[in-house]
Amino acid sequence: GQQVMQIPQYQHVQEGEDFTTYCNSSTTLSNIQWYKQRPGGHPVFLIQLVKSGEVKKQKRLTFQFGEAKKNSSLHITATQTTDVGTYFCKRGIMRFGAGTRLTVKP
Amino acid sequence: EAQVTQNPRYLITVTGKKLTVTCSQNMNHEYMSWYRQDPGLGLRQIYYSMNVEVTDKGDVPEGYKVSRKEKRNFPLILESPSPNQTSLYFCASSRGGGEGYEQYFGPGTRLTVT
Repeated sequence: GQQVMQIPQYQHVQEGEDFTTYCNSSTTLSNIQWYKQRPGGHPVFLIQLVKSGEVKKQKRLTFQFGEAKKNSSLHITATQTTDVGTYFCKRGIMRFGAGTRLTVKP
Repeated sequence: EAQVTQNPRYLITVTGKKLTVTCSQNMNHEYMSWYRQDPGLGLRQIYYSMNVEVTDKGDVPEGYKVSRKEKRNFPLILESPSPNQTSLYFCASSRGGGEGYEQYFGPGTRLTVT
């Protein structure tokens, strides 16, 4: 099945710096979902994007869906230690990206 | 409280000893699935169920069995576990089986097979 490529695999930032993870597909996506997994926890749904060019915000988190609906990004402004975890994108019913693991240095 | 529960949370077993990991949801969800999570590989689907008595293979079904006799329960069975099945397992459920449904995950079961 069609996978989604997620980059980077790891990101280490200083608290207060911004962070972005990208999710790319070779085929058009009908929608994309984002999940967050805290260390030792389970994935938790963050948001779903459906429309071409869609931008959604949740406090310091900004989610974008590309115009061609083949890529998506999650941007965190001014990271905090509470943002630590792995962020996954998901296409279709079951196709998760490999995730981007974010660590934040206080 | 709406939730997905899994038991046990941790399990260490030996090669060949049959085991079952239980999964239950209290949200009346139709769709349930099992994933395994391994470093660098993300979440890979093992089996899924669209409804009672309807199950199908995911990406990595070898060595696993499932059943869906009741809507709320979806146990994962390893008939003869092997060391390559050492992993972190998650059960998940959603209201429907289409692409647009949010998935709710259980807390995970960490399995070690020696």
